[in-house]
Amino acid sequence: QVQLQQSGPGLVKPSQTLSLTCAISGDSVSNKNGAWNWIRQSPSRGLEWLGRTYYRSKWYNDYAVSVKSRLSINPDTSKNQISLQLNSVTPEDTAVYFCARSIVGATHSFDYWGQGTLVTVSS
Amino acid sequence: DIQMTQSPSSLSASVGDRVTITCRASQTINSYLNWYQQKPGKAPNLLISAASNLQGGVPSRFSGFGSGSDFTLTISSLQPEDFATYYCQQSYSIPRTFGQGTKVEIK
Repeated sequence: QVQLQQSGPGLVKPSQTLSLTCAISGDSVSNKNGAWNWIRQSPSRGLEWLGRTYYRSKWYNDYAVSVKSRLSINPDTSKNQISLQLNSVTPEDTAVYFCARSIVGATHSFDYWGQGTLVTVSS
Repeated sequence: DIQMTQSPSSLSASVGDRVTITCRASQTINSYLNWYQQKPGKAPNLLISAASNLQGGVPSRFSGFGSGSDFTLTISSLQPEDFATYYCQQSYSIPRTFGQGTKVEIK
């Protein structure tokens, strides 16, 4: 059974960096049929896919245009986890952040999710 | 980006009712359409992938249909635990995009 356990602070000051981690159990971050995604949810934006990292003989990333200049998603194979770093945050980045797995065999649907982390951007 | 439009945005129904939610993509996405159920304070839960593939453990009263750009999610007989918000999502192209959600409430 795949489990994703998120951790990170719930409060970040404007202009600072939002950092979250997603620890994976029951699967490998290097799974060549998988991808590891970050998604956020807010009342104003709904569910918004932010980006993903995946391994296909080398590591790849895709990012949403809206956050591409500020976002970094990185794998950590030694800890079997992924991380999210979002720079220069503003109150508009306030949201619940989720990590989620997608699998090629399930037509890239998000079949496992982390529990979610409410992140508030406020001074 | 592919826009996903759900209708209705909300609906009120009674236990035992048949409920249908529609999702339309702004361009063809073949069958790369997934449905999720979300309850308050929880992560979305995958119900159906590839337009019509019911996930393990999901009751058979849920069904999905469609291809191209028009899709439906049907609950054949609404149960108390089905009151939630439902989202469609396309996995045809990057960026992945979601519909705005359909909230199913108790009448």
